[in-house]
Amino acid sequence: GQQLNQSPQSMFIQEGEDVSMNCTSSSIFNTWLWYKQDPGEGPVLLIALYKAGELTSNGRLTAQFGITRKDSFLNISASIPSDVGIYFCAGQLRTSYDKVIFGPGTSLSVIP
Amino acid sequence: ETGVTQSPTHLIKTRGQQVTLRCSSQSGHNTVSWYQQALGQGPQFIFQYYREEENGRGNFPPRFSGLQFPNYSSELNVNALELDDSALYLCASSLATGGANVLTFGAGSRLTVL
Repeated sequence: GQQLNQSPQSMFIQEGEDVSMNCTSSSIFNTWLWYKQDPGEGPVLLIALYKAGELTSNGRLTAQFGITRKDSFLNISASIPSDVGIYFCAGQLRTSYDKVIFGPGTSLSVIP
Repeated sequence: ETGVTQSPTHLIKTRGQQVTLRCSSQSGHNTVSWYQQALGQGPQFIFQYYREEENGRGNFPPRFSGLQFPNYSSELNVNALELDDSALYLCASSLATGGANVLTFGAGSRLTVL
């Protein structure tokens, strides 16, 4: 079945540093999504990507949909303490329903 | 705009019991999906309901079942609970538009099976 891999698994950075995380898949997706999950909460959508090669920004966050449609990356610039959390990439196929495949997540810790 | 609300937030059951989890969709949404998130992992798709019928299912056994009601709220039922069913169960709602629909998640119901 479809599987996503995320790297790194976890990262510890200083406040103000830039962050980069990646996601790869064994399958092609039509849509790539990046979610953030805080403790005790459900995932919250950060960025949605709909076309191969698309580069999209949301404030300090930038994400790209890989040309092969099998990968994506997320960059966070000038990290702040509230960026702490688990970041999930997710792929979605254009089917009759909204099945979303999630990666295992990247845990981000920001040291003030 | 009301978000997705789930109940209960936490519950403990013993092996073999049955559990029902509830979800109220975000206002204006007509589709509900359920996900299982084991500790330290990403959410896994269980199934989706649209127009009160299941229209997509992940790799979960039949003892996982659901309902969607006319007001678009939903229930997840799990029979014959097993220890591995311990997880955070997430409900997500969306508005079916014919394209890739954005999911809005609730905070989840944490189930512990002893």
